[in-house]
Amino acid sequence: EPEVTQTPSHQVTQMGQEVILRCVPISNHLYFYWYRQILGQKVEFLVSFYNNEISEKSEIFDDQFSVERPDGSNFTLKIRSTKLEDSAMYFCASYPGLAGDQETQYFGPGTRLLVL
Amino acid sequence: AQSVTQPDIHITVSEGASLELRCNYSYGATPYLFWYVQSPGQGLQLLLKYFSGDTLVQGIKGFEAEFKRSQSSFNLRKPSVHWSDAAEYFCAVGAGSGGYNKLIFGAGTRLAVHP
Repeated sequence: EPEVTQTPSHQVTQMGQEVILRCVPISNHLYFYWYRQILGQKVEFLVSFYNNEISEKSEIFDDQFSVERPDGSNFTLKIRSTKLEDSAMYFCASYPGLAGDQETQYFGPGTRLLVL
Repeated sequence: AQSVTQPDIHITVSEGASLELRCNYSYGATPYLFWYVQSPGQGLQLLLKYFSGDTLVQGIKGFEAEFKRSQSSFNLRKPSVHWSDAAEYFCAVGAGSGGYNKLIFGAGTRLAVHP
């Protein structure tokens, strides 16, 4: 069964460094998302991406964050200058269909980011 | 704004006992509702979803949930819990009609199962 994959599974970085989290969504899916979960807290929406542009972003998704689909298969989240509070599990998700479809978002296993 | 409340942070049940996890949502129209399960160190796995129609929905692993519009609830149930069900359970509502909309999650309920 197709699945969303994410790399790396864990990443440790120093505050102020740039990190890129990578995701390979399910092939032929049309919508892509990033969510994050700070340890012990709820899963929060960061950004959605459709037709090669951001369709919605949360207040969390400030200028330090960017997303890209560089080659038609990967979907990346870049954090330009990491802060301690960026430490979290980051989930990528993809959605298969058109707006009217009653489908669900498929989540990857997550990347655990630790900022020191 | 849409929101999801899971009143129980931790629940402990004995193996073989029945389970009900509570979820209340706030949404103006007919909601798209989901339950996800997260095992330790794992991603989010969809248990079941409700979009429309029959208000009692069946999911994987023997779980079911009932949508009650009058109570704004979407409680998850299982008649007999197995030790492998120990995990964190998240209720979520879609922020619009259509599964492509962002999901708004509750804080989660951590389930422990005693042998």
